[in-house]
Amino acid sequence: DQQVKQNSPSLSVQEGRISILNCDYTNSMFDYFLWYKKYPAEGPTFLISISSIKDKNEDGRFTVFLNKSAKHLSLHIVPSQPGDSAVYFCAASGRGGGSNYKLTFGKGTLLTVNP
Amino acid sequence: GAGVSQSPSNKVTEKGKDVELRCDPISGHTALYWYRQSLGQGLEFLIYFQGNSAPDKSGLPSDRFSAERTGGSVSTLTIQRTQQEDSAVYLCASSFGTRGYNEQFFGPGTRLTVL
Repeated sequence: DQQVKQNSPSLSVQEGRISILNCDYTNSMFDYFLWYKKYPAEGPTFLISISSIKDKNEDGRFTVFLNKSAKHLSLHIVPSQPGDSAVYFCAASGRGGGSNYKLTFGKGTLLTVNP
Repeated sequence: GAGVSQSPSNKVTEKGKDVELRCDPISGHTALYWYRQSLGQGLEFLIYFQGNSAPDKSGLPSDRFSAERTGGSVSTLTIQRTQQEDSAVYLCASSFGTRGYNEQFFGPGTRLTVL
């Protein structure tokens, strides 16, 4: 039973355009959401996060939107650059202490930004 | 400052052998997590350490898997009598702790291949 779903295994966009990566979750106990970026042969690197008390968080070219009622979040990258080409993982964490901070990941979306 | 390091980077073993994977977290990080990524899958939580204790081992797939952490630092993940389905990339992450939401920093992973 996948609690975090990324339904698009891949996405291809042109340089300079917007990239939109989507993520859905089923567990209503999740209240913190993160996006990680992964290059081949490297570990995932943190990109941006959002708490459930917010519906938007922006950091430079990256914006994450959260729709709690729909249990949906998205990552927008504007403008997209070739260096953004990587696998993007959506992850979620529950509230409280201890191991509730373990992350539940989606399967990832491979983003390719074409020059 | 050094990031999370893992060794070996690659490990090829024969079915039935034991393997030991090592993780050196970022200095000062009290929380340590092990995840694995099987082919075509997202990252799957295995075990969480707070200091030297492991309050959550719920992700370990079988009793062939065990992990320990000593001195609140280095952790080893041991897989006994390896099976082909154990083939995956094993990732370690560390964070400052579990008070509030703390970004998890990932190592580059150990790619385990069981022949």
